[in-house]
Amino acid sequence: QKEVEQDPGPLSVPEGAIVSLNCTYSNSAFQYFMWYRQYSRKGPELLMYTYSSGNKEDGRFTAQVDKSSKYISLFIRDSQPSDSATYLCAMSHMDSNYQLIWGAGTKLIIKP
Amino acid sequence: NAGVTQTPKFQVLKTGQSMTLQCAQDMNHEYMSWYRQDPGMGLRLIHYSVGAGITDQGEVPNGYNVSRSTTEDFPLRLLSAAPSQTSVYFCASSYSSALDAYNSPLHFGNGTRLTVT
Repeated sequence: QKEVEQDPGPLSVPEGAIVSLNCTYSNSAFQYFMWYRQYSRKGPELLMYTYSSGNKEDGRFTAQVDKSSKYISLFIRDSQPSDSATYLCAMSHMDSNYQLIWGAGTKLIIKP
Repeated sequence: NAGVTQTPKFQVLKTGQSMTLQCAQDMNHEYMSWYRQDPGMGLRLIHYSVGAGITDQGEVPNGYNVSRSTTEDFPLRLLSAAPSQTSVYFCASSYSSALDAYNSPLHFGNGTRLTVT
């Protein structure tokens, strides 16, 4: 079983919809949770991060961490075609020297 | 500001050939790393470096060598290419090895797409 599980998709939704992307994990030691966005033929770029539990909002994006369920989510409101990309979750903890453990990524397609 | 630059963008090798993937960053980052990205597997760490002269193995180091003689450059060498090394390779750097996303996010290059036949 992988340490971090992420549905690879693709997930196709109409423009303007609310998108929910999720990852589950097995190691309760994870403290730092990140979402990276990767456009086609490009490297990933950091989109959102959260430390420990709770929510964080940045414009149309909200990251949620539920440590009791070992579950993290990224919500995108008012989705735009420019949000079409692969979204990767990543997490780390102090005891692993902060090395990132990655989900496989979910490919998101926003249809105009 | 170029960020992280990887060369070449594409490469085709025959089994048994060797080559070096180049990575350079101009952000004076101490931490540099190499990942491979395969469908359904996510990013897997090959090797990393926390500063010039210091390297260490990641999750999948076999078949790869690295060195870090300067802060800016972190080349990845394939010793004897195998079809299993067909992948997209990403170099990434950050300010420190702590990888605390608030203080030290990873910056990625745009990848080298390698095919081994």
